[in-house]
Amino acid sequence: NAGVTQTPKFQVLKTGQSMTLQCAQDMNHNSMYWYRQDPGMGLRLIYYSASEGTTDKGEVPNGYNVSRLNKREFSLRLESAAPSQTSVYFCASSERLGFPNQPQHFGDGTRLSIL
Amino acid sequence: GDSVTQMEGPVTLSEEAFLTINCTYTATGYPSLFWYVQYPGEGLQLLLKATKADDKGSNKGFEATYRKETTSFHLEKGSVQVSDSAVYFCALDAGNNRKLIWGLGTSLAVNP
Repeated sequence: NAGVTQTPKFQVLKTGQSMTLQCAQDMNHNSMYWYRQDPGMGLRLIYYSASEGTTDKGEVPNGYNVSRLNKREFSLRLESAAPSQTSVYFCASSERLGFPNQPQHFGDGTRLSIL
Repeated sequence: GDSVTQMEGPVTLSEEAFLTINCTYTATGYPSLFWYVQYPGEGLQLLLKATKADDKGSNKGFEATYRKETTSFHLEKGSVQVSDSAVYFCALDAGNNRKLIWGLGTSLAVNP
């Protein structure tokens, strides 16, 4: 099925460990996004990529890095995980940033716990 | 700056009750407006959208009308079901290379 695929679905890390969350979309979308979702805080944008080859910081980029590997894939890396990064992470894509009426399509999320 | 304000939850209703979830916005220009739904354990899904004033978006029995005069996009459903239990997010896209602006979400629980 077409859509946004995230891996892994669940992960437990120890403080200080590193990991990369993977995201791929097969809708030929130009723009991709990483959000985190925490209780009572809604969705917060971590990083986004308006098009292949570009990335920009969102609201809460500290502690994260991203790579737009190609048009399909956008990965999120935690270099040294901290308990404050325990969250549910969502990847999303849209046809094009900056054009209204462009809904975002979401993956099913990665539930990450940092001990 | 642009912003979206949703009514706080949780909202608890009995099956077949009428639902309204309020959403108001501030934005320059003429934004597009969206409602997304997140079912337990899943990612967000687009529920409906409206791109200009007086447009009505509708899907799965839900409706919302883009009211420029009151800067609102309230979500309504005439008769909710247990399967509608979810978190509902209002969002705004003003274009001009700006990202989606999200409300904080409203949790809905429908009891049989």
